[in-house]
Amino acid sequence: ILNVEQSPQSLHVQEGDSTNFTCSFPSSNFYALHWYRWETAKSPEALFVMTLNGDEKKKGRISATLNTKEGYSYLYIKGSQPEDSATYLCAFLSPDTGNQFYFGTGTSLTVIP
Amino acid sequence: NAGVTQTPKFRILKIGQSMTLQCAQDMNHNYMYWYRQDPGMGLKLIYYSVGAGITDKGEVPNGYNVSRSTTEDFPLRLELAAPSQTSVYFCASSTAPPAYRYFGPGTRLTVT
Repeated sequence: ILNVEQSPQSLHVQEGDSTNFTCSFPSSNFYALHWYRWETAKSPEALFVMTLNGDEKKKGRISATLNTKEGYSYLYIKGSQPEDSATYLCAFLSPDTGNQFYFGTGTSLTVIP
Repeated sequence: NAGVTQTPKFRILKIGQSMTLQCAQDMNHNYMYWYRQDPGMGLKLIYYSVGAGITDKGEVPNGYNVSRSTTEDFPLRLELAAPSQTSVYFCASSTAPPAYRYFGPGTRLTVT
C-alpha cells in the first residue's frame, strides 16, 4: 500500500483570494498523477492527468504542477469563486501498483462570498 | 451519452442480506472499477476489470464479488452484508491507464 497525502485537509478562503494545496506521493517509480474535483453530492470529475516531471497544466483559473523527483504536485486556484468550493482529490499511479490508482483523502476548499 | 450510470442511488440492508449494485457505461471503455468511500478516507479500490471476462481484486475486496460478462456492465455483489460495508460506492470507467476515470453518481448503502 502506498501513501498519498494531501494537505491541508481543509481550507477556507475569501472570494477573490488565490490558493494552493499539495499532493505528496512516493518519488520512486512514478507513472501518472490525476487531479479530480469533487462537489458535495456529486461524483468526482477529472481536472488533470499529469505524467511528466515538470508538467504544468491549466484549465481556466486552475493550474497544476508536478515534481516527480521530490514527489509532489501543487494545485493552484487563482481568484477563488464560491463555485470552486469542493474537495480536490489527487490519485497516484506507479508501475508497482498495476492498475491501481491510490487516492489521497482530499483537500476540502470552501470559498466564502 | 449517459456516461456511467449506477443503480440504486440509496439502499438500506439488514445484516446478512445480499444485494447487487448495478453499473453500466456507454463509452466503450475496457476498464471499469468499483470504489468505496468512507468518511475521512480516500477512495478505496474494491475490484477492477480490464475487459469483458477479466476481473481482479483491488485494495479492499473482502465481502464482495464482481463479474464482467459484457463491456458495458460491471455489477458488484455484496454477500452477507455487514455494518462495515456501510459506505458510498462509486463505479468508474476509463480507457487504458493513465487515462482518468469517469465516475458514476454513487450508491449510498447502509447496513443495519
